[in-house]
Amino acid sequence: AQSVTQLDSHVSVSEGTPVLLRCNYSSSYSPSLFWYVQHPNKGLQLLLKYTSAATLVKGINGFEAEFKKSETSFHLTKPSAHMSDAAEYFCVVRLIAGNMLTFGGGTRLMVKP
Amino acid sequence: EAQVTQNPRYLITVTGKKLTVTCSQNMNHEYMSWYRQDPGLGLRQIYYSMNVEVTDKGDVPEGYKVSRKEKRNFPLILESPSPNQTSLYFCASSPRRQMNTEAFFGQGTRLTVV
Repeated sequence: AQSVTQLDSHVSVSEGTPVLLRCNYSSSYSPSLFWYVQHPNKGLQLLLKYTSAATLVKGINGFEAEFKKSETSFHLTKPSAHMSDAAEYFCVVRLIAGNMLTFGGGTRLMVKP
Repeated sequence: EAQVTQNPRYLITVTGKKLTVTCSQNMNHEYMSWYRQDPGLGLRQIYYSMNVEVTDKGDVPEGYKVSRKEKRNFPLILESPSPNQTSLYFCASSPRRQMNTEAFFGQGTRLTVV
């Protein structure tokens, strides 16, 4: 069985300060990991994905995530938040042998001016 | 433009009145699936399909049906909707069984059952 835990349901930062959205997973197999973003009243957009090529993954809009196998974590970071980053973020795991995606509960990021 | 298209985007219906939410993708993807999104629960898979005429239950299939008669279409059917099916629904597709392949999502359908 696999599961994904996003440790914070809400994160609030000031514009220009760093962003950290935390994700831990459990999986019996080597997973693929994704971060998606959902802006209000929009669909889900892929931010980045980990596919075992490199542990530090760079995505769109300045986001990056680091895969740490020993900690079973895949935290999402950005050095400097922008107002347009305000959205809900989902950490997603895919099992090695199937198409099933397991979603975390989501983290709502708020950016204050 | 490569996309997954869902219709309708918004729907209000009454308990027990059958409805269908359509999903179509133009990327020739083998895999398609339906999710529902509820606050604090992320997205949960309802049904998925690995190819034409092949469908299987996800985590929360009760009260839903699907069919996959053509590769591009994967409609979600609620035979007798109930208020607990009020939710935001997403259709997704992905090209094949590869670890590094992300899913592509539709814009969502917000369903309210009164």
